[in-house]
Amino acid sequence: QQQVKQSPQSLIVQKGGISIINCAYENTAFDYFPWYQQFPGKGPALLIAIRPDVSEKKEGRFTISFNKSAKQFSLHIMDSQPGDSATYFCAASKTSGSRLTFGEGTQLTVNP
Amino acid sequence: GAVVSQHPSWVICKSGTSVKIECRSLDFQATTMFWYRQFPKQSLMLMATSNEGSKATYEQGVEKDKFLINHASLTLSTLTVTSAHPEDSSFYICSARVGQTLHEQYFGPGTRLTVT
Repeated sequence: QQQVKQSPQSLIVQKGGISIINCAYENTAFDYFPWYQQFPGKGPALLIAIRPDVSEKKEGRFTISFNKSAKQFSLHIMDSQPGDSATYFCAASKTSGSRLTFGEGTQLTVNP
Repeated sequence: GAVVSQHPSWVICKSGTSVKIECRSLDFQATTMFWYRQFPKQSLMLMATSNEGSKATYEQGVEKDKFLINHASLTLSTLTVTSAHPEDSSFYICSARVGQTLHEQYFGPGTRLTVT
């Protein structure tokens, strides 16, 4: 019940295209869903996060879509750029606790 | 944004020795810090949760006596890998939670440990 499943494992997108990464969770107690971006040899950086009271949150080129009934959420990167090439992790946590449960990660490559 | 630093960024040590990794929150007070371990091309594995002034809570399967965690102040947590072995070679990352009610966690840049 603590799992967060992420797909795809790897993704190749052309510059200017839309990158879409999906996550599904099982634990209905989760109420905080962040996305992290990690470059090789660096720590993860918080990109954007959403709570289940909204279905979508947009920050610049990054959008989270959230479907509470399906227990799924996704990250959309609009106008993808080569500089977006990195590993992306979704995560989830509960209000009552603070530990994050991470997805397996998606390695995104944006070709110029 | 909240900044978390780690020191050293990389370290090489010999088998049997101990190595200490520091994690600092630079512009905020962190009552809770976390330590993760990450293998190449894998996700982050939570090792322990560290609360200021109290003992760390270790995840199942993590040896408490091997990975000593100290959270002596609101801005500093340390991880000491004792009697290191080559299988302890990994990327260690800390994170800090901002505030008691917020869930945002900010990560340090990581420490690459190589045990020879």
